[in-house]
Amino acid sequence: GDSVTQMEGPVTLSEEAFLTINCTYTATGYPSLFWYVQYPGEGLQLLLKATKADDKGSNKGFEATYRKETTSFHLEKGSVQVSDSAVYFCALIRRDSGAGSYQLTFGKGTKLSVIP
Amino acid sequence: EAGVAQSPRYKIIEKRQSVAFWCNPISGHATLYWYQQILGQGPKLLIQFQNNGVVDDSQLPKDRFSAERLKGVDSTLKIQPAKLEDSAVYLCASSTVLSELFFGEGSRLTVL
Repeated sequence: GDSVTQMEGPVTLSEEAFLTINCTYTATGYPSLFWYVQYPGEGLQLLLKATKADDKGSNKGFEATYRKETTSFHLEKGSVQVSDSAVYFCALIRRDSGAGSYQLTFGKGTKLSVIP
Repeated sequence: EAGVAQSPRYKIIEKRQSVAFWCNPISGHATLYWYQQILGQGPKLLIQFQNNGVVDDSQLPKDRFSAERLKGVDSTLKIQPAKLEDSAVYLCASSTVLSELFFGEGSRLTVL
């Protein structure tokens, strides 16, 4: 079945440091890829997405590029802020033509703490 | 635009008791999902509805969990009887076809 593997956390960075959170996936067909963010006490929010190979998703200074050859969708930000402290989830969605449904699979999440 | 509404936000029960969670999706979203998120893990799909029909409930523990979406709008998820391992956040999400999922804030269940 489909799977998403993220780097384990927690990740602790100083403000203005460079961030990379690795994400690789296994899926049949051509999934769409997402990064969701969960701030403390809140639900998941979509951070960015990419729907096909070589697409780059970006939002709030975060970027991720859909790399089909390496089955990866690594999240990057050039200069993190304290307000970026949250849990980040990599996810994929794929249409299951047999079941006629859309399968969304999440990674386990990576907790990021940014210190002043 | 109103988001996905869930209630209650928090619930504490003893094992073997029952509990119900309610979700109202974004207006016009045909697809509704219930996820279970155990502390330190990613969300796990319990059940997915398309309008008022179930399209995937393969990971729903049917001996104790049930869900319904009458009239294709809001939905309830019930656990009866609850076990200690059911302690988790129950997330509801909705979407249009192959769009991003919009999540509610979740219902945190603690089973003592």
